[in-house]
Amino acid sequence: QVQLVESGGGVVQPGRSLRLSCAASGSTFSSYGMHWVRQAPGKGLEWVALIYSDGSKKYYGDSVKGRFTISRDNSKNTLFLQMNRLRVEDTAVYYCASDSSTHGNGAFDMWGQGTMVIVSS
Amino acid sequence: DIVMTQSPHSLAVSLGERATINCKSSQSVLYTSNNKNYLAWYQQKPGQPPKLLIYWASTRKSGVPDRFSGSGSGTDFTLTISSLQAEDVAVYYCHQYYSTPWTFGQGTKVEIK
Repeated sequence: QVQLVESGGGVVQPGRSLRLSCAASGSTFSSYGMHWVRQAPGKGLEWVALIYSDGSKKYYGDSVKGRFTISRDNSKNTLFLQMNRLRVEDTAVYYCASDSSTHGNGAFDMWGQGTMVIVSS
Repeated sequence: DIVMTQSPHSLAVSLGERATINCKSSQSVLYTSNNKNYLAWYQQKPGQPPKLLIYWASTRKSGVPDRFSGSGSGTDFTLTISSLQAEDVAVYYCHQYYSTPWTFGQGTKVEIK
C-alpha cells in the first residue's frame, strides 16, 4: 500500500496562491487514482479533486472549480494541488488520499496526515 | 449531487454493547452491471486522518476488527459495531463513490456511555 505525506500548507491572505504536495512511497503510486479531500475546522469531509492514475482526467468539486488544479508527477511519486484565488472558506486541513482503483471509482484506501491551510487577512 | 444523510448525529453506547449508524443516499449507489454498492465507511479519531473500514458497502478492509460490519443496498446502509470498545470512540463517515462529485455523510460521533 502507498504511504502519503502532505506538505505546503500555511497561512495565506485571501486572493493569494498556495501549492500543496503529497509525496507517496511504498507501493506503485502510478497505479492509483489520487484525491484531495479537505476538512474545515470542526466540520466534516469535503471531496476536492481527483486525478486518474495516468493523469489523463481530472475532476473538481464545484467550490474549487476554476481556482484549483490537481496534477501529478508519477516519475517523482508526487501529487500536487495548485490553489489560486484563495478564499477564507478554503481554510481547512487538506488530505491526499489514494483511490483503490485507477480511475477514481474505488474507496479512498489510504490517507495522508493532512496539511493545514489557513486563509486569513 | 448525491446527498448522504447519516443518523444519528451522535450516540453514546456502553462498552460491549452494539452501536448502529445509518446512512441514506439521495439516489441509489448500486451499479447494476456489477451488482456493487459504491459505498464506504471511514473512522476518524481526533487529530487523525480518516481510516477506511468498509468498502462495497459490506467488505471489511484487511486488518479491520470483525466487530465492524456494513450492510444495506441501493439507498440505505448501516454500519454496525457489534461490541463497542474504548478505542472505537471516533466520528464515522459514510461515502459514496458512485458518481462525481464524491460525497460524504455529515458524520456520526460515537462515545462511551
